[in-house]
Amino acid sequence: ETGVTQTPRHLVMGMTNKKSLKCEQHLGHNAMYWYKQSAKKPLELMFVYNFKEQTENNSVPSRFSPECPNSSHLFLHLHTLQPEDSALYLCASSQGGLAGGDEQFFGPGTRLTVL
Amino acid sequence: KQEVTQIPAALSVPEGENLVLNCSFTDSAIYNLQWFRQDPGKGLTSLLLIQSSQREQTSGRLNASLDKSSGRSTLYIAASQPGDSATYLCAPRANAGKSTFGDGTTLTVKP
Repeated sequence: ETGVTQTPRHLVMGMTNKKSLKCEQHLGHNAMYWYKQSAKKPLELMFVYNFKEQTENNSVPSRFSPECPNSSHLFLHLHTLQPEDSALYLCASSQGGLAGGDEQFFGPGTRLTVL
Repeated sequence: KQEVTQIPAALSVPEGENLVLNCSFTDSAIYNLQWFRQDPGKGLTSLLLIQSSQREQTSGRLNASLDKSSGRSTLYIAASQPGDSATYLCAPRANAGKSTFGDGTTLTVKP
């Protein structure tokens, strides 16, 4: 596997379900990101992790819970979601650190539908 | 709060044309600006990254320029091809973590 991978690619869940999205990067990067892309809205940053530490939480509701066990893996745990949470969830990675000048690489996304 | 505007929202051109996509942003204190393409229902593919100290970057038929002080970037595509059809997104990065994305320009190149 190369680049940034995400599983599953598609997920349908009920509002009472609990599920998790997984992201893995094979680029040796130290920063990982979760973004949400809803229909007809710009891409929105949700969370940022640098060297496994969360450095950004963009006022995301607590029904979304991120986890970064190491620099290569990032999870997004989902529970009690609403239909408006249906969207494409994209993971990205970059070299990381505090410089901020690095390039982000994206995974293919997980298409989430909440019924 | 950074706001990003991309003009035009949609563009349809015949194959072979040169074209310019525009991106403007309100906060000029950026670290870098990245251009991406996105095919329908897919993830983003990085095209070009311009650091705040740079004026332009080139990759193949693509050239991106950055005028940080005026809050503008342009993406120039030379000799467009049907395979260039996609949505193009610009994302200025204002600090170590946060990129802000525009709505994108949806490009259709007709054979």
